[in-house]
Parts: sequence; C-alpha cells; structure tokens
Amino acid sequence: AQTVTQSQPEMSVQEAETVTLSCTYDTSENNYYLFWYKQPPSRQMILVIRQEAYKQQNATENRFSVNFQKAAKSFSLKISDSQLGDTAMYFCAFMSPLNAGGTSYGKLTFGQGTILTVHP
Amino acid sequence: KAGVTQTPRYLIKTRGQQVTLSCSPISGHRSVSWYQQTPGQGLQFLFEYFSETQRNKGNFPGRFSGRQFSNSRSEMNVSTLELGDSALYLCASSSTGPGALPMNTEAFFGQGTRLTVV
Repeated sequence: AQTVTQSQPEMSVQEAETVTLSCTYDTSENNYYLFWYKQPPSRQMILVIRQEAYKQQNATENRFSVNFQKAAKSFSLKISDSQLGDTAMYFCAFMSPLNAGGTSYGKLTFGQGTILTVHP
Repeated sequence: KAGVTQTPRYLIKTRGQQVTLSCSPISGHRSVSWYQQTPGQGLQFLFEYFSETQRNKGNFPGRFSGRQFSNSRSEMNVSTLELGDSALYLCASSSTGPGALPMNTEAFFGQGTRLTVV
C-alpha cells in the first residue's frame, strides 16, 4: 500500500517570500501521479499542481512549482511570492494509474497536511 | 459550469441513527469518490463509483455504504452512527473512465458535509 508523509505540521512565511513544503511517499510502482491540493478555511479542496512520475521535468503553475525526486520518493512544493490568499492547509497526494482490473480507481492517498500561514 | 454539490452542508445526528449524504457531480462526470476527513486520521478514502458500479473501496466497516444513480449522483450512507464518525465528508468527481489517464482529468471536490454525532 502506498503511504504519503508530510513532516511539517505547520509553516509560516512572510508575504512576498518563498516557502517550500515537503512531502515523501512510498510505493513499489513505477508509474503514478502526485498532486498538491490546497484546502482554505472554506474547506474547498483545490488542485494546485500535479506531476506524472514518468515525466522528468518538474511541473510549474505560475507561482507554484515542484521538486520531484523519483529515486528519493520526494515531492516538495515551492510557493514563490507568497500571498495572503495562499494561507491554507496543503495536502500532498498520490494516485496509482488507472488500469483495467486494478483496484486503484479514483483513489487518492493523502498526507497529513501542512498548515501554511502567510503573514502580512 | 456548476461545481460538485454536496448536501446537506451540516448535519447533527445521535449515536445509533443512520445518515445519508448526497453528492451531485459536475455535469458529464461519471466518477464519484468519497473521503472522510478527521483531525486525527486525516483524509481517508471511502469508495469510488463509476457508472453506478463501485470500483474501489477503502478500509471502512460495513456500516459505510454508497451507491450511484444513472445520472451519476451519488449517496453515501452510514448506519448505526458512532461518535467517531463525526467528520467532514468530501465528495470528488472526475471524468475518468476505464483506461483513461488521470492526467487528462482532474478530481473536483465539493465543499463537504460536516457530520456531528452526539
């Protein structure tokens, strides 16, 4: 079974600065997908960024980028130019690829989350 | 395009009762999955439905069940409620089908149903 670990329960950063959230995972699979989700106080889970394991290039979405180290099973999220609206709980998540007859359909395995607070 | 709608948003039930939560996915999405979120256990996968069939199930007791209708709307039911069932229940929808790459889709989450068992 896959596991996802986020070792930082809480992080804080000043507005406009850069912060990195850590995530490690454990799997025996070679192909899989990794995600970072954001959950603000409204509780709405929002996809921030995703990475396919077969792609060596790190994913980027505007101010958000990842450092994907497949051999080390590490998937960190870097937020540049932090904004007050980035304050939220951030979850790292793992998904196995869909395959006929498999048991991985629609299953996201989440880490415990990191509470990020951006201070003005 | 309307998002994922979960009803009700809040619910208070007594131990021993049963409860039904509803999730309406985004129009055209055929996959619906459910998660339980608690401070102690975090986010845990309950089950996933696609075209009215349960394709995957998490490690929860049989008191937790679900179903999906022909219009893709899904319900989950918890019978004989326990205090430990108090949680935020999240539903997510996507358009993934058999063999589809999840990278072609995204799991869209609803705002959840906050269940309190007293």
